[in-house]
Amino acid sequence: QSALTQPASVSGSPGQSITISCTGSTSDVGGYNFVSWFQQYPGKAPKLMIYEVTNRPSGVPDRFSGSKSGTTASLTISGLQAEDEADYYCGSYTSSSTPYVFGTGTKLTVL
Amino acid sequence: EVQLVESGGGLVQPGGSLRLSCAASGFSVSDHYIDWVRQAPGKGLEWVGRSKNKPGHSIDYAASVKGRFTISRDDSKNSVFLQMNNLKTEDTAVYFCTDVLAQVDYWGQGALVAVSS
Repeated sequence: QSALTQPASVSGSPGQSITISCTGSTSDVGGYNFVSWFQQYPGKAPKLMIYEVTNRPSGVPDRFSGSKSGTTASLTISGLQAEDEADYYCGSYTSSSTPYVFGTGTKLTVL
Repeated sequence: EVQLVESGGGLVQPGGSLRLSCAASGFSVSDHYIDWVRQAPGKGLEWVGRSKNKPGHSIDYAASVKGRFTISRDDSKNSVFLQMNNLKTEDTAVYFCTDVLAQVDYWGQGALVAVSS
């Protein structure tokens, strides 16, 4: 099972919006609504930001939103803030030989 | 407060073994899938394996660790374990326990496993 494809890096200025894509296949992203997004600061554990494509856990700002179209899921951060600078990973249930796969990861830089 | 705490990491020689523990508090592991996820230095997240909850407690592994790693759980201790045998240098990573399908943020702080001679 290959990793889901994410851009290696994205950047934006404070206040702007950015979108991170996560491309898979019909066996994972395109076939199920079990896509999650995780935020990770250097040296820290990942933190759940979005689950089941569009849902935010309690405490996650509504600046973070998720969506899906076909085999590509997306994480959008609006009103970008300096504290959003981190690595972001998508993950999805998959019907392949292993039941879960992560994305390749995206480094977000706030300019 | 929901919490997962990993322990048992350390330095081990290639071919050696190590057992990681994942202790839960604030919730019952018997009600959850528990996944092991690892992150090699400077690399991305890699799903390692999963212990499903009742009734079957079935277990799945990534191809990279199948046959070398074994996941078990002790619901009475509210804990899940990762037995790692025949370790290779490429197994060097921080190992996290979590529930990747959860609707709540369940991630431990991680345990560092270093495989080196």
